[in-house]
Amino acid sequence: NAGVMQNPRHLVRRRGQEARLRCSPVKGHSHVYWYRQLPEEGLKFMVYLQKENIIDESGMPKERFSAEFPKEGPSILRIQQVVRGDSAAYFCASSPSPSGTYNEQFFGPGTRLTVL
Amino acid sequence: DQQVKQNSPSLSVQEGRISILNCDYTNSMFDYFLWYKKYPAEGPTFLISISSIKDKNEDGRFTVFLNKSAKHLSLHIVPSQPGDSAVYFCASPDSGAGSYQLTFGKGTKLSVIP
Repeated sequence: NAGVMQNPRHLVRRRGQEARLRCSPVKGHSHVYWYRQLPEEGLKFMVYLQKENIIDESGMPKERFSAEFPKEGPSILRIQQVVRGDSAAYFCASSPSPSGTYNEQFFGPGTRLTVL
Repeated sequence: DQQVKQNSPSLSVQEGRISILNCDYTNSMFDYFLWYKKYPAEGPTFLISISSIKDKNEDGRFTVFLNKSAKHLSLHIVPSQPGDSAVYFCASPDSGAGSYQLTFGKGTKLSVIP
């Protein structure tokens, strides 16, 4: 009964490279949320996706960041041309419904991105 | 413009005593609050919640109190155990933007000393 899985757990990139973070939601969950935690900060909402649709990307930087949740396969958060300020922990959460019951978001262990 | 504030970055408590973690919020629209617990190298795990129609919610050793007039809530853990050592986040859904957007505080690191 696997929970939310994220990989890689740790990712090191040099400035200017691309970072791809993957998230497999809890089996049967069709709603995925991405959050970012900068050092010494709380988690901040980035984007909410359903299968093949971006529902709300209001928390995502307008440039270099994109997210998808294809019909098959994991959700991907993609960061192009990474900069040092992108260094953070990126958490994915999933829910079986649009999180109308607030405690239904189950979080993965996160991907720690380090940009050199 | 931090809407959920946890002003104590850390707290140390002796095993068996009470741990009290505090959280303040500024947005009057917030009507539901959650506490998450996070161990190192793991994601946040839901712990307990409270709706604004209540001023207290209890679950075993964990109790959350809500003071709406002061825009303040607190999490009480009694008795504290070493396994409670973790970072605790206070969060609220930004109901104005949809219930899925959780706004988190910066967290308080609790250390329970055996």
